[in-house]
Amino acid sequence: NAGVTQTPKFQVLKTGQSMTLQCAQDMNHEYMSWYRQDPGMGLRLIHYSVGAGITDQGEVPNGYNVSRSTTEDFPLRLLSAAPSQTSVYFCASRPDRDNYEQYFGPGTRLTVT
Amino acid sequence: AQSVAQPEDQVNVAEGNPLTVKCTYSVSGNPYLFWYVQYPNRGLQFLLKYITGDNLVKGSYGFEAEFNKSQTSFHLKKPSALVSDSALYFCAVRDGGNYGQNFVFGPGTRLSVLP
Repeated sequence: NAGVTQTPKFQVLKTGQSMTLQCAQDMNHEYMSWYRQDPGMGLRLIHYSVGAGITDQGEVPNGYNVSRSTTEDFPLRLLSAAPSQTSVYFCASRPDRDNYEQYFGPGTRLTVT
Repeated sequence: AQSVAQPEDQVNVAEGNPLTVKCTYSVSGNPYLFWYVQYPNRGLQFLLKYITGDNLVKGSYGFEAEFNKSQTSFHLKKPSALVSDSALYFCAVRDGGNYGQNFVFGPGTRLSVLP
């Protein structure tokens, strides 16, 4: 199993540009989440999904969209990048509601200039 | 609202000595508590969890954590530190809302084990 994969590893955007961060998992996990990691702030939940076709907002959803058309994939879209979105983004998955161990991808480091 | 505090930004310990990384939490209801480790340029890796049962929880790589309800703490411990334990450690608490997907992470504690 590859586990949770994320692409790209690094990205530089100009303010106002859009892009999609890709996340895929091959463990047939129902739950998937996107977090951002900023220095001194831990991880904050952006959006999450509890199954194909079901998504909801986390703590910091503004400026981001998600969709979940398949169990495997959970892309994160930045509609109009802002410097405040400079961060490291992590995708995570877990099997279902009663299994609490999250499996994290390697992260995407995004810089918005 | 749930919250997690990790009062130390940095913990330094000599190799072979015991280590403790502190975590306190605030949660309504029963706490679901977790520890994760992050090595440089990597994603987080699960170490251990407390859901219910024994207050001393054993996890990966020789780590354990002690749940103390009266002090609302969940400190991470290891009897003998290794240089390879040097990493960033995160404590997290889960609340039951949002399909149980609200995991609140602390700010992290950087552990340095000195040879």
